[in-house]
Amino acid sequence: AQKITQTQPGMFVQEKEAVTLDCTYDTSDQSYGLFWYKQPSSGEMIFLIYQGSYDEQNATEGRYSLNFQKARKSANLVISASQLGDSAMYFCAMRDQAGTALIFGKGTTLSVSS
Amino acid sequence: GAGVSQSPSNKVTEKGKDVELRCDPISGHTALYWYRQRLGQGLEFLIYFQGNSAPDKSGLPSDRFSAERTGESVSTLTIQRTQQEDSAVYLCASSLIGGILITDTQYFGPGTRLTVL
Repeated sequence: AQKITQTQPGMFVQEKEAVTLDCTYDTSDQSYGLFWYKQPSSGEMIFLIYQGSYDEQNATEGRYSLNFQKARKSANLVISASQLGDSAMYFCAMRDQAGTALIFGKGTTLSVSS
Repeated sequence: GAGVSQSPSNKVTEKGKDVELRCDPISGHTALYWYRQRLGQGLEFLIYFQGNSAPDKSGLPSDRFSAERTGESVSTLTIQRTQQEDSAVYLCASSLIGGILITDTQYFGPGTRLTVL
Protein backbone atom coordinates (compact mmCIF):
# COMPACT_ATOMS: atom_id res chain seq x y z
CA ALA A 1 0.00 0.00 0.00
CA GLN A 2 1.09 3.54 -0.67
CA LYS A 3 2.45 5.41 2.32
CA ILE A 4 4.15 8.74 3.00
CA THR A 5 6.27 9.21 6.13
CA GLN A 6 7.37 12.57 7.49
CA THR A 7 9.40 11.93 10.64
CA GLN A 8 9.98 15.54 11.73
CA PRO A 9 6.97 16.92 13.59
CA GLY A 10 8.67 20.31 13.97
CA MET A 11 11.69 22.09 12.54
CA PHE A 12 13.24 25.40 13.58
CA VAL A 13 15.46 27.57 11.39
CA GLN A 14 16.74 31.13 11.37
CA GLU A 15 16.07 33.56 8.57
CA LYS A 16 18.36 33.22 5.55
CA GLU A 17 19.39 29.71 6.47
CA ALA A 18 18.55 26.63 4.41
CA VAL A 19 16.37 23.85 5.81
CA THR A 20 15.59 20.30 4.67
CA LEU A 21 12.24 18.68 5.36
CA ASP A 22 12.30 14.90 5.14
CA CYS A 23 9.88 12.68 3.27
CA THR A 24 10.04 8.96 2.54
CA TYR A 25 7.47 7.05 0.54
CA ASP A 26 6.42 3.53 -0.23
CA THR A 27 4.85 2.30 -3.44
CA SER A 28 5.14 -0.75 -5.63
CA ASP A 29 4.47 1.25 -8.80
CA GLN A 30 7.28 2.34 -11.11
CA SER A 31 5.39 5.45 -12.21
CA TYR A 32 4.41 7.93 -9.52
CA GLY A 33 4.50 11.61 -8.66
CA LEU A 34 5.60 13.36 -5.50
CA PHE A 35 4.19 16.70 -4.41
CA TRP A 36 4.96 19.17 -1.65
CA TYR A 37 2.33 21.53 -0.28
CA LYS A 38 2.57 24.40 2.21
CA GLN A 39 -0.26 25.06 4.65
CA PRO A 40 0.00 28.41 6.48
CA SER A 41 -2.11 29.12 9.53
CA SER A 42 -4.86 30.39 7.21
CA GLY A 43 -5.46 26.76 6.25
CA GLU A 44 -5.13 26.84 2.47
CA MET A 45 -2.95 24.17 0.86
CA ILE A 46 -0.47 25.82 -1.51
CA PHE A 47 1.24 23.69 -4.16
CA LEU A 48 5.02 24.14 -4.09
CA ILE A 49 6.81 21.59 -6.25
CA TYR A 50 6.41 18.33 -8.16
CA GLN A 51 8.80 15.47 -8.92
CA GLY A 52 8.00 12.61 -11.27
CA SER A 53 9.51 9.19 -10.74
CA TYR A 54 11.04 9.20 -14.22
CA ASP A 55 12.42 12.74 -14.00
CA GLU A 56 16.18 12.55 -14.28
CA GLN A 57 16.85 15.87 -12.61
CA ASN A 58 15.76 17.12 -9.23
CA ALA A 59 12.87 19.57 -9.43
CA THR A 60 13.44 23.21 -8.54
CA GLU A 61 11.02 26.12 -8.15
CA GLY A 62 12.61 29.34 -6.97
CA ARG A 63 13.84 28.80 -3.41
CA TYR A 64 12.37 25.30 -3.30
CA SER A 65 14.19 22.23 -4.54
CA LEU A 66 13.53 18.58 -4.15
CA ASN A 67 16.31 16.16 -3.22
CA PHE A 68 14.98 13.05 -4.93
CA GLN A 69 16.74 9.77 -4.13
CA LYS A 70 14.76 7.08 -5.89
CA ALA A 71 16.68 4.07 -4.57
CA ARG A 72 16.13 5.26 -1.01
CA LYS A 73 12.53 6.26 -1.76
CA SER A 74 13.06 9.71 -0.35
CA ALA A 75 11.93 13.11 -1.64
CA ASN A 76 13.18 15.75 0.75
CA LEU A 77 12.21 19.40 0.32
CA VAL A 78 15.01 21.94 0.57
CA ILE A 79 14.11 25.56 1.23
CA SER A 80 17.00 27.93 0.68
CA ALA A 81 17.34 31.36 2.30
CA SER A 82 14.40 30.88 4.68
CA GLN A 83 12.02 33.79 5.22
CA LEU A 84 9.62 34.54 8.08
CA GLY A 85 6.74 33.88 5.68
CA ASP A 86 7.93 30.29 5.26
CA SER A 87 6.62 29.46 8.74
CA ALA A 88 3.87 26.93 8.05
CA MET A 89 3.00 23.26 7.96
CA TYR A 90 4.54 21.36 5.03
CA PHE A 91 3.03 18.22 3.58
CA CYS A 92 4.59 15.65 1.30
CA ALA A 93 2.12 13.77 -0.91
CA MET A 94 2.23 11.04 -3.52
CA ARG A 95 0.11 9.89 -6.37
CA ASP A 96 0.71 6.66 -8.27
CA GLN A 97 -1.10 4.66 -10.90
CA ALA A 98 -3.08 2.78 -8.29
CA GLY A 99 -5.31 5.72 -7.45
CA THR A 100 -6.50 9.18 -8.24
CA ALA A 101 -6.22 10.68 -4.79
CA LEU A 102 -3.14 12.14 -3.20
CA ILE A 103 -1.76 10.25 -0.21
CA PHE A 104 -0.45 12.70 2.37
CA GLY A 105 2.07 12.47 5.17
CA LYS A 106 1.31 13.88 8.61
CA GLY A 107 3.25 17.05 7.92
CA THR A 108 6.15 19.00 9.40
CA THR A 109 5.72 22.34 11.13
CA LEU A 110 8.45 24.79 10.14
CA SER A 111 9.15 27.79 12.32
CA VAL A 112 11.43 30.53 10.97
CA SER A 113 12.83 33.05 13.45
CA SER A 114 14.57 36.37 12.91
CA GLY B 1 -7.56 33.81 -12.53
CA ALA B 2 -9.79 32.71 -9.68
CA GLY B 3 -8.70 29.77 -7.58
CA VAL B 4 -10.82 27.15 -5.87
CA SER B 5 -13.40 28.68 -3.57
CA GLN B 6 -15.35 27.07 -0.77
CA SER B 7 -18.28 28.15 1.34
CA PRO B 8 -18.97 28.62 4.12
CA SER B 9 -15.53 29.20 5.57
CA ASN B 10 -16.80 28.19 9.00
CA LYS B 11 -19.82 26.17 10.03
CA VAL B 12 -20.95 25.40 13.56
CA THR B 13 -23.80 22.95 13.90
CA GLU B 14 -25.49 20.82 16.50
CA LYS B 15 -25.13 17.07 16.60
CA GLY B 16 -27.78 15.41 14.47
CA LYS B 17 -28.23 18.26 12.01
CA ASP B 18 -27.45 18.04 8.30
CA VAL B 19 -24.83 20.30 6.68
CA GLU B 20 -23.95 21.18 3.11
CA LEU B 21 -20.50 22.33 2.07
CA ARG B 22 -19.92 23.93 -1.31
CA CYS B 23 -16.92 23.95 -3.64
CA ASP B 24 -16.37 26.01 -6.79
CA PRO B 25 -13.40 24.60 -8.71
CA ILE B 26 -11.05 26.44 -11.03
CA SER B 27 -12.84 27.12 -14.30
CA GLY B 28 -12.10 24.44 -16.88
CA HIS B 29 -10.89 21.84 -14.38
CA THR B 30 -12.62 18.55 -15.03
CA ALA B 31 -11.53 16.75 -11.86
CA LEU B 32 -12.65 17.62 -8.35
CA TYR B 33 -11.67 16.07 -5.02
CA TRP B 34 -12.86 16.30 -1.44
CA TYR B 35 -10.53 15.71 1.50
CA ARG B 36 -10.94 15.89 5.26
CA GLN B 37 -8.29 17.16 7.67
CA ARG B 38 -8.68 16.47 11.36
CA LEU B 39 -6.85 18.74 13.79
CA GLY B 40 -3.08 18.36 13.50
CA GLN B 41 -3.35 15.60 10.92
CA GLY B 42 -2.70 15.10 7.24
CA LEU B 43 -5.45 14.99 4.65
CA GLU B 44 -7.78 12.01 4.17
CA PHE B 45 -9.31 11.48 0.73
CA LEU B 46 -13.10 11.36 0.61
CA ILE B 47 -14.34 11.36 -2.99
CA TYR B 48 -13.23 12.14 -6.55
CA PHE B 49 -15.30 13.49 -9.44
CA GLN B 50 -14.41 13.21 -13.11
CA GLY B 51 -16.86 15.56 -14.76
CA ASN B 52 -20.16 14.97 -13.01
CA SER B 53 -19.58 11.32 -12.16
CA ALA B 54 -17.81 9.97 -9.08
CA PRO B 55 -15.68 6.97 -10.04
CA ASP B 56 -13.98 6.87 -6.66
CA LYS B 57 -16.01 7.20 -3.46
CA SER B 58 -13.75 4.93 -1.48
CA GLY B 59 -12.90 7.49 1.17
CA LEU B 60 -16.42 8.36 2.29
CA PRO B 61 -16.44 7.26 5.96
CA SER B 62 -20.12 6.31 6.18
CA ASP B 63 -23.42 6.49 4.34
CA ARG B 64 -24.10 9.77 6.15
CA PHE B 65 -21.66 11.37 3.69
CA SER B 66 -22.65 12.07 0.10
CA ALA B 67 -21.54 14.43 -2.64
CA GLU B 68 -22.69 15.57 -6.01
CA ARG B 69 -21.35 17.70 -8.81
CA THR B 70 -23.41 19.49 -11.42
CA GLY B 71 -22.54 21.16 -14.70
CA GLU B 72 -18.96 19.93 -14.36
CA SER B 73 -18.54 22.78 -11.94
CA VAL B 74 -19.89 23.26 -8.44
CA SER B 75 -19.83 20.37 -5.98
CA THR B 76 -21.70 19.94 -2.73
CA LEU B 77 -20.63 17.65 0.10
CA THR B 78 -23.52 16.74 2.39
CA ILE B 79 -23.16 15.27 5.85
CA GLN B 80 -26.39 13.97 7.35
CA ARG B 81 -27.04 13.56 11.07
CA THR B 82 -23.69 15.09 11.99
CA GLN B 83 -21.63 13.57 14.78
CA GLN B 84 -18.91 15.18 16.88
CA GLU B 85 -16.26 13.09 15.11
CA ASP B 86 -17.21 14.85 11.86
CA SER B 87 -15.58 18.03 13.21
CA ALA B 88 -12.71 18.79 10.83
CA VAL B 89 -11.63 21.04 7.99
CA TYR B 90 -13.09 19.89 4.69
CA LEU B 91 -10.88 20.78 1.73
CA CYS B 92 -11.81 20.73 -1.91
CA ALA B 93 -9.29 20.53 -4.74
CA SER B 94 -9.54 20.61 -8.51
CA SER B 95 -7.23 19.56 -11.30
CA LEU B 96 -7.21 20.04 -15.04
CA ILE B 97 -7.51 16.47 -16.27
CA GLY B 98 -7.82 13.95 -13.43
CA GLY B 99 -7.84 10.26 -14.21
CA ILE B 100 -4.57 8.43 -13.76
CA LEU B 101 -2.34 11.21 -15.06
CA ILE B 102 0.46 11.25 -12.52
CA THR B 103 1.53 14.84 -13.20
CA ASP B 104 -1.96 16.33 -12.80
CA THR B 105 -1.54 18.86 -9.99
CA GLN B 106 -4.37 19.39 -7.54
CA TYR B 107 -5.09 22.94 -6.42
CA PHE B 108 -6.85 23.41 -3.12
CA GLY B 109 -9.44 25.79 -1.79
CA PRO B 110 -9.27 27.45 1.64
CA GLY B 111 -11.44 24.79 3.28
CA THR B 112 -14.57 24.79 5.43
CA ARG B 113 -14.02 24.39 9.16
CA LEU B 114 -16.89 22.30 10.52
CA THR B 115 -17.55 22.17 14.25
CA VAL B 116 -20.21 19.81 15.56
CA LEU B 117 -21.32 20.61 19.09
